[in-house]
Amino acid sequence: AQSVTQLGSHVSVSEGALVLLRCNYSSSVPPYLFWYVQYPNQGLQLLLKYTTGATLVKGINGFEAEFKKSETSFHLTKPSAHMSDAAEYFCAVSGTGNQFYFGTGTSLTVIP
Amino acid sequence: EAGVTQFPSHSVIEKGQTVTLRCDPISGHDNLYWYRRVMGKEIKFLLHFVKESKQDESGMPNNRFLAERTGGTYSTLKVQPAELEDSGVYFCASSQDGNRGITNTEAFFGQGTRLTVV
Repeated sequence: AQSVTQLGSHVSVSEGALVLLRCNYSSSVPPYLFWYVQYPNQGLQLLLKYTTGATLVKGINGFEAEFKKSETSFHLTKPSAHMSDAAEYFCAVSGTGNQFYFGTGTSLTVIP
Repeated sequence: EAGVTQFPSHSVIEKGQTVTLRCDPISGHDNLYWYRRVMGKEIKFLLHFVKESKQDESGMPNNRFLAERTGGTYSTLKVQPAELEDSGVYFCASSQDGNRGITNTEAFFGQGTRLTVV
């Protein structure tokens, strides 16, 4: 079975500060992991994904995530937050079928 | 290229009424998925079409929900009769590659339909 836990439903950071959004997963098979972002009034947009290979994955808009099998984690980071990063972020794992299992989402606020 | 589009963007209906949501996937995408997010909770899988066939409908809540994809193009999700607990945001997604959902390609999501049942 697959599941995702996102710690912190709301995260606030100052502009220019480090962004860290946490994601832990459970998977009975080698996981494929994803981060999606939803800006206001828009659909879900893929930020980055891990399937196989390099465990540090770089995505769009300066975000990256590291797959740590020993910790069953896939935390999302960005060195310096911009105001435009304010959005809701979803971590997801794909399972043996063709569906995603999503976390409950983390709403990121960037304080000027 | 147009993305995944969903209609309507918002719908407010009374309990007991019928509502039909529509999803137009990206042209050429055989795989179409419906997901739902109830407020404050995770986005949950409802079902998966491959062309016009239902590949997996294990996430459909009950028989008040009916999804169709005639001709393998757009899809509709009908809720009849609607109940209060059906309120939420319904997302549609499409992808080219159905092997584990996403292997070399990603799933593209629409902006969602916000359904409110009062």
